[in-house]
This record gives sequence, C-alpha cells and structure tokens, in this order.
Amino acid sequence: GQSLEQPSEVTAVEGAIVQINCTYQTSGFYGLSWYQQHDGGAPTFLSYNALDGLEETGRFSSFLSRSDSYGYLLLQELQMKDSASYFCAENNTNAGKSTFGDGTTLTVKP
Amino acid sequence: KAGVTQTPRYLIKTRGQQVTLSCSPISGHRSVSWYQQTPGQGLQFLFEYFSETQRNKGNFPGRFSGRQFSNSRSEMNVSTLELGDSALYLCASSPTTSPDEQYFGPGTRLTVT
Repeated sequence: GQSLEQPSEVTAVEGAIVQINCTYQTSGFYGLSWYQQHDGGAPTFLSYNALDGLEETGRFSSFLSRSDSYGYLLLQELQMKDSASYFCAENNTNAGKSTFGDGTTLTVKP
Repeated sequence: KAGVTQTPRYLIKTRGQQVTLSCSPISGHRSVSWYQQTPGQGLQFLFEYFSETQRNKGNFPGRFSGRQFSNSRSEMNVSTLELGDSALYLCASSPTTSPDEQYFGPGTRLTVT
C-alpha cells in the first residue's frame, strides 16, 4: 500500500487500550476502512468511516479526520484473541476498489 | 447467510500453465472484488465486477483476467503463470446498500513451481 502508512508492529497487554494510526495521501479519497486478519485467515471487515468523527462498534472504534488525512483504529479491553494484523484501506475514486496499507501486527501479551 | 466461498482452496501449478479460480459471493451481493496477497507486496487490488461488468481494475498485467456471471459468481484466470504469481488470492463481495464493506472469502493459495 504505497499511499497509506501504518505502523508495522504494536504490542500491548491484555485489558489495555491500543491505537493503530493510518495516514493517507491520495486525492480522490472518499473513505477509510479497517480490517482484521488472523494468521492463515481472511481479512474481516471491522469498520468504515466516510465522514469525520468516531464510529464505535463494541470494543473497537474508528476515527477519521479528512483535513489531516488521518485515521485510527482504537481497540479497548484487549483480549488475547485480538492478536492479529490490522489493515487500513483507502477507498478512492482513482485507484479501484480499495488500496490497503501494509498492515499492523498487534501482539497482545498476558 | 453463508459467507463468501472460494474454490479451490489450494492449488499447485507449473510455470507457463494457466489457472482459473472461482468465487461465490454472499447471497444478494452483486459486487465481487479480487485481491492478491503476498508477504512482499501485501494486499493488492486486481479487479471488481458488478452486474457482470468490470467496474474497476488494478495495476496487473493482462495475464490476469476475470468475469462475473448472472448469478454474481465470479472467476479469475491467470494465464502463462510465473513464479511470482504464487500468492493467496482473495475474493470479497459487497452489499449494494454498503458498497464499501467488503466480506472476504478464505482465499485460494496458489503455488507456482
């Protein structure tokens, strides 16, 4: 994902809160999605932001600031099963369906 | 509802051969997208089909092609396989009401030797 930047790795402990940031730089942007992928599994849709602000779905929240070309995924009350890769994906009128970031590997420790 | 299904799940081919992968979307979803996932390049968009028409195309050579049938099932074909085509090929379907939500199938793991 050459137009999106997200950290490659994040480590946190059970019960903690972690924020995974994503910045994008492409014109034609119209929305940011987040996906979770466990080792050996397929990506699973988590959330989508088209407008500025916070979207909350249970323990997961996603935020978008279009003026800052920035978004984040917030995971609360971390559980061991949250250990996975998290991808931000940009929906863009110029680049096909979605452009995915390289993913952030989250490791949750006891 | 049943999820997205892909067949086959695993495939081993030789350089120069061609391969066809199949994807059945979630019932009622008319948009089907294909992605290639490799450790080095990550998840890369191949193409999207909607109502049997290619709506978007990624930056892949013409050896990669696809089609969609009237029941929304989709196939992708890769001709003249190269070693670098070894990857996980993922199909995703989207509902018309929420086109930006993509629901992925388990993928087809293609190994080219």
